[in-house]
Amino acid sequence: GAGVSQTPSNKVTEKGKYVELRCDPISGHTALYWYRQSLGQGPEFLIYFQGTGAADDSGLPNDRFFAVRPEGSVSTLKIQRTERGDSAVYLCASSPRQGNMGTEAFFGQGTRLTVV
Amino acid sequence: SQQGEEDPQALSIQEGENATMNCSYKTSINNLQWYRQNSGRGLVHLILIRSNEREKHSGRLRVTLDTSKKSSSLLITASRAADTASYFCATVPSGTYKYIFGTGTRLKVLA
Repeated sequence: GAGVSQTPSNKVTEKGKYVELRCDPISGHTALYWYRQSLGQGPEFLIYFQGTGAADDSGLPNDRFFAVRPEGSVSTLKIQRTERGDSAVYLCASSPRQGNMGTEAFFGQGTRLTVV
Repeated sequence: SQQGEEDPQALSIQEGENATMNCSYKTSINNLQWYRQNSGRGLVHLILIRSNEREKHSGRLRVTLDTSKKSSSLLITASRAADTASYFCATVPSGTYKYIFGTGTRLKVLA
């Protein structure tokens, strides 16, 4: 596709359930990022992939959060035992190179997760 | 944690006026970028300025960077109602590869 695609666009789940959020980056982009954004706040870094490996997962809040990118393209963010505080918009971004090489990030439209 | 803070948090101006937003950050950086967000969803890249640059222009946008003060400003000239959005600065701290976003400025341009 032409841009970063995230599915689903909205997800409502019950507290304690497991959810998976999917991100299809722009074809050929090696860097992929996940962010979380709460209302009125800026995007908060979660994890960064360079290829298949998680190069920096320092933003994951706890061990309930996990992300994979097995073939270096599509990525899945997995949240176990969801809590109401996990409710937010989860944004995915990709870029052709690492951020420190002076390149922009291309964002998807996000998945709005609501935990009830 | 968030690297930067934007100032002001909210700004309301009349169409045709200029809008200035400021960003302060905490650590040394490789580059600084400005993004725009409509309706709390996807962000769109506006402009990138490298740490060795002081000023950059793109259309109606002008960005300055002062690394000694760890601050940047975004000027939108001749604003339009369609410029209404939230604007975020993002830095890539030296030695890292990730974009760290500020808290954002909510701009409202009145027609």
